[in-house]
Amino acid sequence: EAGVAQSPRYKIIEKRQSVAFWCNPISGHATLYWYQQILGQGPKLLIQFQNNGVVDDSQLPKDRFSAERLKGVDSTLKIQPAKLEDSAVYLCASSPQDRIREQFFGPGTRLTVL
Amino acid sequence: AQSVTQLDSHVSVSEGTPVLLRCNYSSSYSPSLFWYVQHPNKGLQLLLKYTSAATLVKGINGFEAEFKKSETSFHLTKPSAHMSDAAEYFCVALNQAGTALIFGKGTTLSVSS
Repeated sequence: EAGVAQSPRYKIIEKRQSVAFWCNPISGHATLYWYQQILGQGPKLLIQFQNNGVVDDSQLPKDRFSAERLKGVDSTLKIQPAKLEDSAVYLCASSPQDRIREQFFGPGTRLTVL
Repeated sequence: AQSVTQLDSHVSVSEGTPVLLRCNYSSSYSPSLFWYVQHPNKGLQLLLKYTSAATLVKGINGFEAEFKKSETSFHLTKPSAHMSDAAEYFCVALNQAGTALIFGKGTTLSVSS
């Protein structure tokens, strides 16, 4: 079965610019997660969707980060404006509904903010 | 609060020798615990998971982990390292509400020939 797809794989921008990441989860997976992985640290959950509704966005810096999941399938994560400390790998994961223990991760998007 | 501590940021072994990656957890309940592996430019992959059944858990690629409640540990082991095992390994816990994964900081495993 196809895995979680993410694009772009790499992105370099200057601070104060905006950027968007795209994620296509595994077909049929109702739950979608976005994680931020800063160099030298483990991934940290930013936001969790169940279908097209937000389950948990408590760790999302809402002044600059936004995410949506239209039609309960693909999702986009946006940063506007970007800061230097946003440099990280952004991981998308998906799981069947209410089966958080069975998350499948995409390859990630590596963002560098200059 | 739930937390996961990986005791070594970097472990180096020779091919064919045993691997030990250490993880301690802190919680007031018996958590679900996992080990994930991350190869360069690839997504995180689940190696194994503990969910309160057998305390010795076998995973993929010859890895296994033992849950020891008395020591609050969940160390990952493999009898004989392969070059392909070189990667970043994360010890992970499920929070008490069962709604989020909590990752350790990771251990980089290097394997030399």
